[in-house]
Order: sequence, then structure tokens, then C-alpha cells
Amino acid sequence: AQKVTQAQTEISVVEKEDVTLDCVYETRDTTYYLFWYKQPPSGELVFLIRRNSFDEQNEISGRYSWNFQKSTSSFNFTITASQVVDSAVYFCALSVAGSARQLTFGSGTQLTVLP
Amino acid sequence: DGGITQSPKYLFRKEGQNVTLSCEQNLNHDAMYWYRQDPGQGLRLIYYSQIVNDFQKGDIAEGYSVSREKKESFPLTVTSAQKNPTAFYLCASSPRLARTEAFFGQGTRLTVV
Repeated sequence: AQKVTQAQTEISVVEKEDVTLDCVYETRDTTYYLFWYKQPPSGELVFLIRRNSFDEQNEISGRYSWNFQKSTSSFNFTITASQVVDSAVYFCALSVAGSARQLTFGSGTQLTVLP
Repeated sequence: DGGITQSPKYLFRKEGQNVTLSCEQNLNHDAMYWYRQDPGQGLRLIYYSQIVNDFQKGDIAEGYSVSREKKESFPLTVTSAQKNPTAFYLCASSPRLARTEAFFGQGTRLTVV
């Protein structure tokens, strides 16, 4: 069975601060995929990134960066110079190769960026 | 535009009634999913379907039913057997591969009155 843990339920930062959202996963499969989604107040989940288990390179996209470490089973997400528009719930998710069930989600982190 | 359409956005149900939530996609995806989201919780899988005329129970299927008669459509019925149906329901679709991301609709908020 797979499990995703997002220990931070809520985080508040002031605009322009950097913030890191933690994600720890559990799986016995060697081939798996990790995802981050953003859920703004409108409710729709917006895809941010996918990373496969064989690619531990960190990725940067504008103010967003992701740190994947298999040794600690973590896939953390950092927002640099946060903005009010970053306020949302962020979900980390996991899927494994060969599984039809698709995504296992963490419980989410509510990020509030204050002006 | 390609995407997933859920309707209605808000739905009110009286106790003892069945209600059906609509989900339509024009992305030509094989797989479709229904998730339930409760406040402060992650998404829990209700049902999923990999191909037409076939679907599987997820983690919390009791009190729900689905059909997949067309590739584009995956309606969810919340039956009177579901004791606590008030929640936010999200539909998703994806190509039938674990490595691909899922695309989500805008959700339906169901409230029992």
C-alpha cells in the first residue's frame, strides 16, 4: 500500500518570504511517480509537477522548486518570494507503475500568504 | 477547450434522496475517477474506471454507484445509503498510465438539507 504524509496542516507567511511544504511518501514499489497539485479557493486541482522515481534531479520553475530525495522518501516543494496569489491548499500525491488506482493523496497543506 | 466539466457546481439533497453528479471530459482519456474531499482532509478515491463498461471500487465506495457507458462520461450517484454525503466531490481523468498526471474538474459541493 502507498501512503503520503503532509505533516504541515497550515502555514502562514508574509509576502516575499520563502516557504517549504514537506511531503513524505511510502511505497514498496521501485517505479513510482510523485506529483504536486495546487487547489485554489475555486476548488479545482491544478497540476504543478510530476517526478518519476528514477530522476532525482531537483527542478526549478520560476519561483517554484522541488527537492526529491529517495534516501529520505521526501519530495518537498519550495516557493521563493511568496505572493498572495500563492495562497491555496497544496497536495502531494503518489502513483505506482502498473496500478490502475492512480493517485494516493496526502492530506494537504493550507498555505496563507499575508500581504 | 479541452477539459473536464462537472455539474452542477452546488447541489442540495434531502435526506433519503438519490442524486447524480455529472462528469464529462473531452480529453479522450481512457481513465476516469471520482474523489471525495472533506474539510481538512485529502482526496479519497470513491470509484475509478479504466475503460468503458468497466469500473472498480475505491477506498470509500459504500453508498455510491457509477456507470461508464461512454468514454466521455462517468456519472456518480450518491444514494440514500450514504450516511454522510455532505462533501466536495471531484472528478478526474487521465491517460491509462500511472506516470501521467490527472486532470480535474471544478468540483461539485453536495449538501444534505
